[in-house]
Amino acid sequence: NAGVTQTPKFQVLKTGQSMTLQCAQDMNHNSMYWYRQDPGMGLRLIYYSASEGTTDKGEVPNGYNVSRLNKREFSLRLESAAPSQTSVYFCASGPRVYEQYFGPGTRLTVT
Amino acid sequence: GENVEQHPSTLSVQEGDSAVIKCTYSDSASNYFPWYKQELGKRPQLIIDIRSNVGEKKDQRIAVTLNKTAKHFSLHITETQPEDSAVYFCAAGDNNAGNMLTFGGGTRLMVKP
Repeated sequence: NAGVTQTPKFQVLKTGQSMTLQCAQDMNHNSMYWYRQDPGMGLRLIYYSASEGTTDKGEVPNGYNVSRLNKREFSLRLESAAPSQTSVYFCASGPRVYEQYFGPGTRLTVT
Repeated sequence: GENVEQHPSTLSVQEGDSAVIKCTYSDSASNYFPWYKQELGKRPQLIIDIRSNVGEKKDQRIAVTLNKTAKHFSLHITETQPEDSAVYFCAAGDNNAGNMLTFGGGTRLMVKP
């Protein structure tokens, strides 16, 4: 039981490049989330998926898109990366709003 | 939407002392209040939570209190140890409204040996 996994762990992009962050969970959770954490800051919700087939914007959705591929997988795409998107990205999952379990994070640097 | 404020942003205590972190929230519909601990370079981990039908919950050295009238909740850590050093985040959510949590800005707790 791996819990929540994320790939890659680290990534460096140039401004304007695109990439997809992958997240998978093996706990049969309905809800999945993407957060960003800037240095010394709290967690801000980018997008979430309350259940398979649905996605909704969070607090800071601009510049991102998501896909809930199936119940296990929830990906985050940056279409045209900007330096302001340099951050640590955490995926989380949970049976509902209770008990969110976080993945190990992806450290992204945009130069 | 919900707004969660957390104080203090940094807290330094001597080993063995108690530490208290306070949060306020704005949405009276919120009914779930978890606390997460994040060690340096690691993922946030749930350490304790409280639901709106309870005023206090305790788990060994940590406890959380909730005042729904005043819309604030607090984390209390007694007999602090160096391994309690981390960033602590509070959060608030309404499980009836879209499965979202709103996080506070975090408190960096330093426990000096």
